[in-house]
Order: sequence, then structure tokens, then C-alpha cells
Amino acid sequence: EAGVTQSPTHLIKTRGQQATLRCSPISGHTSVYWYQQALGLGLQFLLWYDEGEERNRGNFPPRFSGRQFPNYSSELNVNALELEDSALYLCASSFGRVIGYTFGSGTRLTVV
Amino acid sequence: TQLLEQSPQFLSIQEGENLTVYCNSSSVFSSLQWYRQEPGEGPVLLVTVVTGGEVKKLKRLTFQFGDARKDSSLHITAAQPGDTGLYLCAGARREGAQKLVFGQGTRLTINP
Repeated sequence: EAGVTQSPTHLIKTRGQQATLRCSPISGHTSVYWYQQALGLGLQFLLWYDEGEERNRGNFPPRFSGRQFPNYSSELNVNALELEDSALYLCASSFGRVIGYTFGSGTRLTVV
Repeated sequence: TQLLEQSPQFLSIQEGENLTVYCNSSSVFSSLQWYRQEPGEGPVLLVTVVTGGEVKKLKRLTFQFGDARKDSSLHITAAQPGDTGLYLCAGARREGAQKLVFGQGTRLTINP
């Protein structure tokens, strides 16, 4: 069974540009979660999608947005990139009651 | 304000020693999970504890959930270099909650 896959693995952007990160959940999982892990910090919750709808949002500005497609894959978009957006962006998926996430390997976003 | 406080933040010990990592909160959690994250990878779920006072063992790792479900500990016996990594605790604030809150992590280094 394929795990959670994220693409690209690395992304370098300049300040002010837009970044699009992609996530494919485990087959059968309907929920996708996005977390930001800045260097030296723990995981900060960004967004939760379930059945194509945004269910919850963390304390991030509106330039962080996303969507979930009918096949349950998801995109995270970050507009007007700032230097402090440089981080590892992790996607996780689950089905039903959460007893633990399965994470992807993440996308390392570097803003220069 | 960090909802889950992990201590210590950094720990470097020699192979064969024992260690304990703590995850504390003033809030009650319906469940707590422990993850291990290696460089360039996403966190991998080690265990989920759901009942106050619960103890779970995974080979040389022992996990305990506090009686009041506000704290947890991870004890490693006879640590090995392969145990090196970032250990993260995460909790669900209420039954059925989909969003997990993460601690800031404990970076563990086991020296041969």
C-alpha cells in the first residue's frame, strides 16, 4: 500500500512569488492535514480537509490556502511568499476517528 | 504558548544508557501519540495512548499516559544509535477530534 506522497520534495522560490505543494493521501483516507515545521520548532497546524471541504484552519494568514480534490488529493498554496515561510511542509492523512496520523516525507520550501 | 511542553528539548547520551522524555500540559487530552522523525522524513507514529495510567511497551521503549491524561512520558532502555531522532508528542483535545496539537519535540542523540 502506497503511503502519503508529497511533491515536490524541495522547492526554492523568491520572496513575493507563489508556491504550490501537493499531497496524495493513502488510498481510502478522506482527511488530509497540512502542518508547517519551521527549523527548530514543532509542527504548527495549517489546514484540515475532509470530503472536499475545509474543516479547520490554524492561525495562519489568508495567503495560506488550499483545496481538496474529488480523489482526496490536496494542494497547499502560499501566496506572496515571505522569508519566514521557509519550512518543511508536512501532509498527513487519516480516515475516521484519528488515532494517529500517517505523514508524508514533506516538501522543503526555501524562500530567498 | 505551547499547549504541550516537551522536556528536555535536547538530549545527548552514550549508547547503553537509559533516558526519559516528558510531555506535559495543563490541559486534558483524550489521547496522546508519540512520533519519531528522522532528518528529511516525516514523523512516524510510534504509539497512541488513550486511557489514563496506560502503559505501552514497544521493544525497549515504554510509554505512559498520566492518570489525569495531562501528561505522558517516553522511557528508552539501553539506548542505541538507531534511536537517534526527533521525538514528538501530540494530543487530541477531545474525543473524535481530528486536529492534533504537537509539542516542540525532543532531539535525541545517541553516541556510539
